[in-house]
Amino acid sequence: QKEVEQDPGPLSVPEGAIVSLNCTYSNSAFQYFMWYRQYSRKGPELLMYTYSSGNKEDGRFTAQVDKSSKYISLFIRDSQPSDSATYLCAMSAFFGETSGSRLTFGEGTQLTVNP
Amino acid sequence: SQTIHQWPATLVQPVGSPLSLECTVEGTSNPNLYWYRQAAGRGLQLLFYSVGIGQISSEVPQNLSASRPQDRQFILSSKKLLLSDSGFYLCAWSSQAALEQYFGPGTRLTVT
Repeated sequence: QKEVEQDPGPLSVPEGAIVSLNCTYSNSAFQYFMWYRQYSRKGPELLMYTYSSGNKEDGRFTAQVDKSSKYISLFIRDSQPSDSATYLCAMSAFFGETSGSRLTFGEGTQLTVNP
Repeated sequence: SQTIHQWPATLVQPVGSPLSLECTVEGTSNPNLYWYRQAAGRGLQLLFYSVGIGQISSEVPQNLSASRPQDRQFILSSKKLLLSDSGFYLCAWSSQAALEQYFGPGTRLTVT
């Protein structure tokens, strides 16, 4: 079983829709959570990160973490065609001076927002 | 602000040829550096990471090696490429005091 599960999609929505992207994880030690956006043939771009349960909002994006259910979500409001990309969740159990930042990534969900 | 560069952007190499991919970071000191490979439609596989000059840790046994000759320079190498080395190679950095990683634009390698 993978430590992080993410539905690969593809997910196709009309412009203006609310998008929900989700990841589940099995390692209860994970306590740091991030979302990356990756456009085709580009490097991933950090969208949001959170170190605690609950919601964190940034413009049209809301990251939600439920540690009790081992479930994280990214919501996109008023989705735009420019949001069309692959979204990767990432999480970490620890941070150490000798190990750096060790992230475990989901395989990504491909999102298309149709005008 | 910090900037991360990778080159070349694309590369087509025959099987058995050597490889050298370079990554440099600007605007920060003593970063943690990472090399990832991303196969088509797949997630990110961590290959190497470095918490300082000359300190390289390998995540998976493979045909590749990494070096960090300078504080903000990270190099991925191979003596003889295999077909299975094809993929999208990404370099990333993080600060010593944070978990978030920031990625470069990537190098698309095709081994023929």
